[in-house]
Amino acid sequence: GAGVSQSPSNKVTEKGKDVELRCDPISGHTALYWYRQSLGQGLEFLIYFQGNSAPDKSGLPSDRFSAERTGGSVSTLTIQRTQQEDSAVYLCASSRLTGGRNTEAFFGQGTRLTVV
Amino acid sequence: AQRVTQPEKLLSVFKGAPVELKCNYSYSGSPELFWYVQYSRQRLQLLLRHISRESIKGFTADLNKGETSFHLKKPFAQEEDSAMYYCALKPGGYQKVTFGTGTKLQVIP
Repeated sequence: GAGVSQSPSNKVTEKGKDVELRCDPISGHTALYWYRQSLGQGLEFLIYFQGNSAPDKSGLPSDRFSAERTGGSVSTLTIQRTQQEDSAVYLCASSRLTGGRNTEAFFGQGTRLTVV
Repeated sequence: AQRVTQPEKLLSVFKGAPVELKCNYSYSGSPELFWYVQYSRQRLQLLLRHISRESIKGFTADLNKGETSFHLKKPFAQEEDSAMYYCALKPGGYQKVTFGTGTKLQVIP
């Protein structure tokens, strides 16, 4: 079907407000990743979901960041009390398992978050 | 834990010149290595993978296990090659893919 879909594509929010970013992975993909891409910077890993296993949250920068994945499909990344340094493009990717390994990652178009 | 290192944040070359984007990794097992590319205003996408031994858009990459490297090469750079390039390592099993910090390739006309 369609590729990885993220919404909204752009989000402007006031400092201190909470935001939710959504990711719809490719159907059947058990692995889901969130990354952050700041201006002029590379990819920063945030969190990784694999099936029903406990997520790898080792990349979340602070306790203001959280993510969940409901029913093994759609994922929501929540940032509470946003700060200006949270401004970035948030990318979601998914991949499937084949032969016990994750295959290549397919990326969404990203959500550009601007905190003013 | 695995690690991917791309030592250059920015690489500028003239059109027609050879290109080499460096990637080194650390991983105790047998990983799969990939190169991803992000053109301006486009989503990040797979460029090539080492197991395919393929040439995509004139780019090749050879896995050197002795030097733990997976450098991306192209003999003659084109302006349309200007993009952000990421090296990635995929361990076995359920472990996550690890990306390098990326190299911005700028091809000067």
